[in-house]
Amino acid sequence: RKEVEQDPGPFNVPEGATVAFNCTYSNSASQSFFWYRQDCRKEPKLLMSVYSSGNEDGRFTAQLNRASQYISLLIRDSKLSDSATYLCVVNKAAGNKLTFGGGTRVLVKP
Amino acid sequence: EPEVTQTPSHQVTQMGQEVILRCVPISNHLYFYWYRQILGQKVEFLVSFYNNEISEKSEIFDDQFSVERPDGSNFTLKIRSTKLEDSAMYFCASGGGRETQYFGPGTRLLVL
Repeated sequence: RKEVEQDPGPFNVPEGATVAFNCTYSNSASQSFFWYRQDCRKEPKLLMSVYSSGNEDGRFTAQLNRASQYISLLIRDSKLSDSATYLCVVNKAAGNKLTFGGGTRVLVKP
Repeated sequence: EPEVTQTPSHQVTQMGQEVILRCVPISNHLYFYWYRQILGQKVEFLVSFYNNEISEKSEIFDDQFSVERPDGSNFTLKIRSTKLEDSAMYFCASGGGRETQYFGPGTRLLVL
């Protein structure tokens, strides 16, 4: 079983719509969770950390379900500039390696 | 805003040659990492470095790979004898001890 699994997509989203997708992780010892964004042939950039209580950053909302070992990301009012690959990332502790999922590709269309 | 920088942005080499990839982490960070991403695949961890020594390495990081922090600013990844399958994007990352890691723009390595 992969350590971090994501639906590769693509999710084709009309501009202004809402899109949501999940990832699952296998290691119950994982402590920290993140969504990174990666544009084509660029580096991963931190989008947001994910906290147990759920958290929101503007149009982005992240949720963590430790019991079921999944993380979700919801994007509201999608913009064309939201088109990217969204990487689900976990690690066991501060300073430790990050483990990446394969990414979910989102295409926002006019 | 401070950022991680990497040089060169692109490197083409012949199989069997040595390459050195360079990174300048964010200045007050203490944890340094190398990751790679083969085209079309996920980002994979190679090695982490803390307090002037390797703290963790993956199965990929075999004897052909080494890392160094030769001075107070640079962090290098050396591949001694490159193979075709080493062709990938190599990302350096640094962290201040909290969970967040910040990535450099990467070096695209092509082994012919």
